[in-house]
Amino acid sequence: EVQMEQSGGGLIQPGGSLRLSCEVSGFTLSGYEMHWVRQTPVKGLEWLSSISSTGKTIYYADSLKGRSTFSRDNAKSSVFLQMHSLRDEDTGIYYCATTIIDAFDFWGQGTTVTVSS
Amino acid sequence: EIVMTQSPVTLSVSPGERATLSCTASQSVSSNLAWYQQKPGQPPRLLIYGASTRAPNIPARFSGSGSGTEFTLTISSLQSEDFAVYYCHQYFNWPRGTFGPGTKVDL
Repeated sequence: EVQMEQSGGGLIQPGGSLRLSCEVSGFTLSGYEMHWVRQTPVKGLEWLSSISSTGKTIYYADSLKGRSTFSRDNAKSSVFLQMHSLRDEDTGIYYCATTIIDAFDFWGQGTTVTVSS
Repeated sequence: EIVMTQSPVTLSVSPGERATLSCTASQSVSSNLAWYQQKPGQPPRLLIYGASTRAPNIPARFSGSGSGTEFTLTISSLQSEDFAVYYCHQYFNWPRGTFGPGTKVDL
C-alpha cells in the first residue's frame, strides 16, 4: 500500500524559512517523480514543484522560484521542500504527491503552513 | 498559463441521480486532463486521468470524457459517499499544470 507521511509545517513568521518532509512507503521512491501541491483559500489547488526520479531535473512554479529548493533522498525514501522568505500568501495546506501511473495519483495527508506575525 | 474553469460551482443532487460536471480549458490541453475528488480534511483523490481513464479502484459509475478544451465528469448514480468537491487538472505542459476552482456536489 502506498503511503506518504508528511511533516514540517507550522506557524512561521513572515520572512522566515521552513522545511517540509515527505517520507514514502509501499513503493520504491527512486523510480518515480515527486511533486508538491498546495491548497489555499485564495488560489485553491496550485502546483508548486516537481522533481525527476533521479533528482537531476526540478521544476518550480513562478510563485516559488528563487526562494525554494526541492530535494530528494532516495535512500531514505524521502523528499523535502525548503522554503525561504515566506509571505502571508504562502499560508495553506501543502501536499506531496507522486506519479506512478499518471497525473498525481497518490497524495500525502497534507501539512498546514501558517505565515503570520 | 492555461486557466481552468468549472461549472456549476455547486451541484445539488439526490442519491441515485446522475451528476454531470463540466471543465473548460482556456486553450487546448489535448487529453492531458485529470479529475480528483476531495472530501473535508482529506487530500485530493485521483479519479480519472487522460481525460477518460479511471484510476485503479475507482468505481465504474465515474466516467470522464472530452478532449481539447471541453471535458465532462459523469457520476452515473450518485452514492452517499460521492458528496464532495471535484477538481479538474490540466497537465498539458507536464509537470506544470493548473487546477480548476472545483465543483461541490451536495444534497
